[in-house]
Amino acid sequence: AQSVTQLGSHVSVSEGALVLLRCNYSSSVPPYLFWYVQYPNQGLQLLLKYTSAATLVKGINGFEAEFKKSETSFHLTKPSAHMSDAAEYFCAVSDQRNNDMRFGAGTRLTVKP
Amino acid sequence: DARVTQTPRDKVTEMGQEVTMRCQPILGHNTVFWYRQTMMQGLELLAYFRNRAPLDDSGMPKDRFSAEMPDATLATLKIQPSEPRDSAVYFCASGPGLAGTDTQYFGPGTRLTVL
Repeated sequence: AQSVTQLGSHVSVSEGALVLLRCNYSSSVPPYLFWYVQYPNQGLQLLLKYTSAATLVKGINGFEAEFKKSETSFHLTKPSAHMSDAAEYFCAVSDQRNNDMRFGAGTRLTVKP
Repeated sequence: DARVTQTPRDKVTEMGQEVTMRCQPILGHNTVFWYRQTMMQGLELLAYFRNRAPLDDSGMPKDRFSAEMPDATLATLKIQPSEPRDSAVYFCASGPGLAGTDTQYFGPGTRLTVL
């Protein structure tokens, strides 16, 4: 069965610093990978997704992620954190068989002034 | 700006009462998903539908939970009887299909508290 593991339930960075949120996947077939963001009291919204085209994927709000098959990773990065980036981030995996998406436990990002 | 709507946004009820949560998917989307989010378990998939037909409800406690789509614009999740352990945020999401590449669009959630 496919799954994702997010390393670090909490990440704290200073405003302007690099954001790195880690996600490793496990899948017996080529995966499709997603990053979603959840702001307080809201539903999840898509940041970006990897669907087997380019391995470096750019998303909204300056975020990007790189699919690395050799490392089974799909880490999310942003060069310079903004206060508005404070939220919970979820990595998710699905595959060509269906849209039964499996989510990681989430990483809460705090941005310090 | 099309979006998934859910009602109610908050529900407080007493143990044993019936709870019904409603979801209106984005017009034209033919797949609907129900998730439950808790601090302990994170996001759990409860059930999903395609073209109003249930495809998988293996994540749902069968004895007390039921999910239906009376029509293409309404999905319901019912708990009867409710228990304190059902307290969680319940999310509905809709998508344009069942391809693994399809994005799921989430509603704002229903926060359920069972006393």
